Amino acid sequence: EPEVTQTPSHQVTQMGQEVILRCVPISNHLYFYWYRQILGQKVEFLVSFYNNEISEKSEIFDDQFSVERPDGSNFTLKIRSTKLEDSAMYFCATRGENTGELFFGEGSRLTVL
Amino acid sequence: AQSVTQLGSHVSVSEGALVLLRCNYSSSVPPYLFWYVQYPNQGLQLLLKYTSAATLVKGINGFEAEFKKSETSFHLTKPSAHMSDAAEYFCAVRIMDTGRRALTFGSGTRLQVQP
Repeated sequence: EPEVTQTPSHQVTQMGQEVILRCVPISNHLYFYWYRQILGQKVEFLVSFYNNEISEKSEIFDDQFSVERPDGSNFTLKIRSTKLEDSAMYFCATRGENTGELFFGEGSRLTVL
Repeated sequence: AQSVTQLGSHVSVSEGALVLLRCNYSSSVPPYLFWYVQYPNQGLQLLLKYTSAATLVKGINGFEAEFKKSETSFHLTKPSAHMSDAAEYFCAVRIMDTGRRALTFGSGTRLQVQP
């Protein structure tokens, strides 16, 4: 069964460091999303991406965050200078053209010290 | 604006008992509605979805949900709880006629199943 793959599964970083989280979407999916879940809290929308550009972003997705699809396969989320409050599980999700459902990856746990 | 409210952050049932997890949505137009399950240390897995077809939707693992427009609800049920159902459950809504194509999630309900 096709699945969304995320790497790394867990990353520990120092405050102020740059982090890149990677996602390999399901092959025929065109819509990509990043969500965040701080421990014990709800799943929050960060950004959606379609046709090589951001289609929507939340207030959480500030200038410290960026997304790109550099090689046509990986979809990445970059946090330029991490803060303690960026510690969370980050989920990538993808969606096909004619379906409403999102398929989620297993998540990347980011711990900022 | 679209939103979704899950009543009860924790629900505890006995094994074999009925499971009822509540979800209410706010939308001026018919939404797409979803239930996702999250097992410990895992990602989000789709249980079922409502996309304007049948109002009673059957999902995986014996779960089902009924879309009730008059009550703006999409409660998740399962006739008989199993120990393996213990997990976090998220209701999510997506409005199809706006630029917002992303899902909005509820705050989640943690289901505990007692032996």
